[in-house]
Amino acid sequence: GAVVSQHPSWVICKSGTSVKIECRSLDFQATTMFWYRQFPKQSLMLMATSNEGSKATYEQGVEKDKFLINHASLTLSTLTVTSAHPEDSSFYICSARAVETGDYQPQHFGDGTRLSIL
Amino acid sequence: GQNIDQPTEMTATEGAIVQINCTYQTSGFNGLFWYQQHAGEAPTFLSYNVLDGLEEKGRFSSFLSRSKGYSYLLLKELQMKDSASYLCAYLDSNYQLIWGAGTKLIIKP
Repeated sequence: GAVVSQHPSWVICKSGTSVKIECRSLDFQATTMFWYRQFPKQSLMLMATSNEGSKATYEQGVEKDKFLINHASLTLSTLTVTSAHPEDSSFYICSARAVETGDYQPQHFGDGTRLSIL
Repeated sequence: GQNIDQPTEMTATEGAIVQINCTYQTSGFNGLFWYQQHAGEAPTFLSYNVLDGLEEKGRFSSFLSRSKGYSYLLLKELQMKDSASYLCAYLDSNYQLIWGAGTKLIIKP
């Protein structure tokens, strides 16, 4: 149980392109989804917390107009990197937390999306 | 403040036991998680401790002392596939997950 699917796994595109990443909870409902970024040999950096039906909460230093998050249902959140540039190249990982018993549920992670901007 | 510390790297031998420590300082605490992350992959959930004591799950055990702000992950009968980074993270008073930088565990034959 608690499977999170993230798509696509790899993206290579030209500078200036917008890239959309999907995160789906397959066998549970998630009121809250999280988007992380991880640079090589560094720890996870939380970018934003996404709650179903409301605006995402962005961490300090993360541009909300550049990283658009939509959490339209209890099983789907999307992250769109708008006008991506080489410095946006990173490993983007989503996670989801199940609804049922509040905040003590572990976050379950998708497989991540490796984004390379040329 | 939000401080959480764990060693950067550890080395152990196949078949042996290794203990990865994690210390934290926080005014609000709602439990501590351990995750395993293989290189190039997303983290996978290992354990959650909210009460003091030892939780055993197969070859892996996790311990928590809330009064000391201390946790450890114990890995027994090490296998080569256990080579990975191990991340500790605590839930603060706002139920935000605060991540450590991770401990890279290298297993040698």
